[in-house]
Amino acid sequence: DAGITQSPRHKVTETGTPVTLRCHQTENHRYMYWYRQDPGHGLRLIHYSYGVKDTDKGEVSDGYSVSRSKTEDFLLTLESATSSQTSVYFCAISEPLGQSSGNTIYFGEGSWLTVV
Amino acid sequence: GENVEQHPSTLSVQEGDSAVIKCTYSDSASNYFPWYKQELGKGPQLIIDIRSNVGEKKDQRIAVTLNKTAKHFSLHITETQPEDSAVYFCAASRDNYGQNFVFGPGTRLSVLP
Repeated sequence: DAGITQSPRHKVTETGTPVTLRCHQTENHRYMYWYRQDPGHGLRLIHYSYGVKDTDKGEVSDGYSVSRSKTEDFLLTLESATSSQTSVYFCAISEPLGQSSGNTIYFGEGSWLTVV
Repeated sequence: GENVEQHPSTLSVQEGDSAVIKCTYSDSASNYFPWYKQELGKGPQLIIDIRSNVGEKKDQRIAVTLNKTAKHFSLHITETQPEDSAVYFCAASRDNYGQNFVFGPGTRLSVLP
C-alpha cells in the first residue's frame, strides 16, 4: 500500500462548523489531490497541489480550501460545513511523468464526513 | 470538457465466467485510460491502464481494449473469482496527472460462487 494516511477516518459535524481533513504521505510524491466520492458521480476533483504552497482548483472546489506547507502534508478545509458536503473524501498522490513510480495515482483509504 | 460514461452500473456473474465493463469518453484528445478497483471501505487501486498508442493490454486475467475511433474502452476480466467482487471505475485523461482525470460513475461487480 502507498504510504498515505488520512485523518480523521470518520467524522460527524454540525452545519456551519469548520472541518479540516489531513492527508500525510511518506512517498515524497510531488502531486497531491483531494477528491470526493458520491453515489452516481464517481470521483470528482476538489483541489490539487503540484508542490509546496502551489495549489489549484478542481471541478468542485466551491466551499473548500487547501493548504500545503510541507511536501508530505495536504490539508482540506471546509470553512463552514453544509449538508451537501456529506461525502467520502479521498486523498491521492502521484509523481510526474517519467519517474520510477510509473505514473500511477495512489489513493488513500478515505475519510467519511457526515454533516448534520 | 471531458465526459465519461460507464456501463453497466451493476454486473453479476458466476464464478469462472468472464466480465466486461465498457466506458465511452467524449474528448478525442484524451490519451490515458486507467481502471481502478475499489473494495468496500477502501480507496481505489489501479489495476490496469492503457495509452492511446496501443489497442490492447493484458495482465494475467485482466485486459483492457481501446477503440480510439469510437472513443470507447473496455475492461475484461476472465475466470472471475469471488475476490474480484468490487466497484470498478474507468477514467480518461489527456495525461496521467490526477487533475485532468474524469472518472466514470462506477460498476459494481458481484461474482457469485
